[in-house]
Amino acid sequence: EVQLVESGGGLVQPGGSLRLSCAASGFTFSGTYMHWVRQAPGKGLEWVGRIRNNANSDTTDYAASVRGRFIISRDDSKNSLYLQMNSLETEDTAMYYCARENYFLENWGQGTLVTVSS
Amino acid sequence: DIVMTQSPDSLAVSLGERATINCKSSQSILHTSNNKNWLAWYQQKPGQSPKLLISWASTRESGVPDRFSGSGSGTDFTLTISSLQAEDVAVYYCHQHYSTPQTFGQGTKLEIK
Repeated sequence: EVQLVESGGGLVQPGGSLRLSCAASGFTFSGTYMHWVRQAPGKGLEWVGRIRNNANSDTTDYAASVRGRFIISRDDSKNSLYLQMNSLETEDTAMYYCARENYFLENWGQGTLVTVSS
Repeated sequence: DIVMTQSPDSLAVSLGERATINCKSSQSILHTSNNKNWLAWYQQKPGQSPKLLISWASTRESGVPDRFSGSGSGTDFTLTISSLQAEDVAVYYCHQHYSTPQTFGQGTKLEIK
């Protein structure tokens, strides 16, 4: 069974940093592209970015709203995905989901809540 | 960027009746590599994470009831629930994975009338 478990969310001040993690199991993580998607309170889904697999050099793509501030990485030895969030803004307040790609987003975690507030 | 526009924003349907949600993309998402539409539909129930319902515009995922169906091609797509059940109350999103940045529709909130 595929499982994705996010962690690392919390309250952070504007301008601060936070690192989210996503622990994966039940599939061959190293061969899989992985995504982050976020959802502001009461709002819709927003794609944050994607990391390809090692065969594709772990290259990344980002939404314009986070490019230059967020970094997606992975550690295949730990079956883990990460989202390093820097220069956080109040508009980054959201539930952050990791998702497994099978062209589409086949599996989603339960999410971790990030609140950016002073 | 490809803009995904869903209609309506909200919908109230009686139990047992048909519910139809539309999704329009600002450009074609029919990919020549596999002659498939790179569109998926997700269901998000209150307090839960999104769940994949339909891939490739019309392929129902394993375990999804057959009252859910997807159709359309190119730029116009539809999610249909043939006979609404109480457990179908949710927000439904379309999603294009044809190009980066990937984008979602704004969501359609489905309620019981």
